[in-house]
Parts: sequence; C-alpha cells; structure tokens
Amino acid sequence: KQEVTQIPAALSVPEGENLVLNCSFTDSAIYNLQWFRQDPGKGLTSLLLIQSSQREQTSGRLNASLDKSSGRSTLYIAASQPGDSATYLCATYNNNDMRFGAGTRLTVKP
Amino acid sequence: EPEVTQTPSHQVTQMGQEVILRCVPISNHLYFYWYRQILGQKVEFLVSFYNNEISEKSEIFDDQFSVERPDGSNFTLKIRSTKLEDSAMYFCASKLRTSAADTQYFGPGTRLTVL
Repeated sequence: KQEVTQIPAALSVPEGENLVLNCSFTDSAIYNLQWFRQDPGKGLTSLLLIQSSQREQTSGRLNASLDKSSGRSTLYIAASQPGDSATYLCATYNNNDMRFGAGTRLTVKP
Repeated sequence: EPEVTQTPSHQVTQMGQEVILRCVPISNHLYFYWYRQILGQKVEFLVSFYNNEISEKSEIFDDQFSVERPDGSNFTLKIRSTKLEDSAMYFCASKLRTSAADTQYFGPGTRLTVL
C-alpha cells in the first residue's frame, strides 16, 4: 500500500527566500505525481503534475522534480511571497487511486 | 475556466440520518472521484467512477456509502446512516481521461458535520 510522507510538516520563512518542500513515497510504480495547494478550509488547487516518465515540471516560480527510483519529489519555490502561505500537498496516482501526504504548512512572513 | 462545483458547502445532520452530497464535474470529463479529509488529517481516497460504475474503492467506502450519476451532469455521494466519524470535508474531483498526463480537478468541498 502506497505511503506518502512530506517533510517538514511546517515551515516558516521570510519573504524572498527560496525554499524546498520534500515528498517521499514507498511504491515507485506510479503513473504521476501532483503537487497541490490548499488554503485553510478550502479545496485543492493543482500546481504541477509530473508524469512518471518525466523528471521535472516548471510553472512560474515553482519547479517540481521527480526521482521515481528513489521515491522522492521536491517542490522548489523561488522568491517566496506572503501569498504563497498555504498547505502544500503531494499526491501519487496509480490504478485510479490517488494517495496524499499530510502536507507541509508554509508561512511566508512579510 | 471550467471548474468542479459542489453543493452544499456545509451540511449539518443528526447521527443516523442520510445525506447526499452533490457534485457537478467538468462537463467533458469521464472519470469522477470522491475524497474525504477529516480535520487535521490526510486527504483520503474514497471511490472512483467511470462509465456508470465504480472503478476502485477504498476500505473506507463500505456499505454505508454509495455513488450515483443520476443524469448527465451530477455526481452524488450518499451516506445512508451517518456516524459521528463521518464528519469531514468531502471533495469531488473529475478527470478527462485516465492518462498519466491528465490532472484531477477538485471541487471546493462540502463540510459535513454529524451531531
């Protein structure tokens, strides 16, 4: 059974810093991995999707990498802003089953 | 931009009552999902649905749960006899195809409170 772990559970940084969020998973037989953003009490917004055959995806200030063989993904956020404050979730997808990590709660201080 | 919608945004019910949570997936999507998130816990997969039948379901999705696509636009989750532990945020999602390149799009969720 797939287990997805995210480290750290919480992170607080000053505005402007570059930061890395980590995600690890136990079963490397995945179709893809997605990174989501969740604001308090809200739904999930998809940020980036990396297919199993890909190594990374970029969107604006976000870059996600995937190393399937080691069961790891990272989300890099450049030049963080207070508006980036949210919980970031990673999720693996396989056999019509999406498994989520517990998330990293990010606070960017002005 | 098309989006997944869910109603109601918040539902309060008494233990033992039946509830139906409603979702309108993105119109040309073919794959539909329900997830739940108990406060402070991980988002958990409940069920996937394609071609008018369940494709996969988790161990959480027991006989108290059912899903239906009653018409061409709605996708519902029914809980027959709610328990206190069913209190959670329920998210609906849809996807165009089952390709690895396709993103699941999530609705804003329904907060279910069972008293």
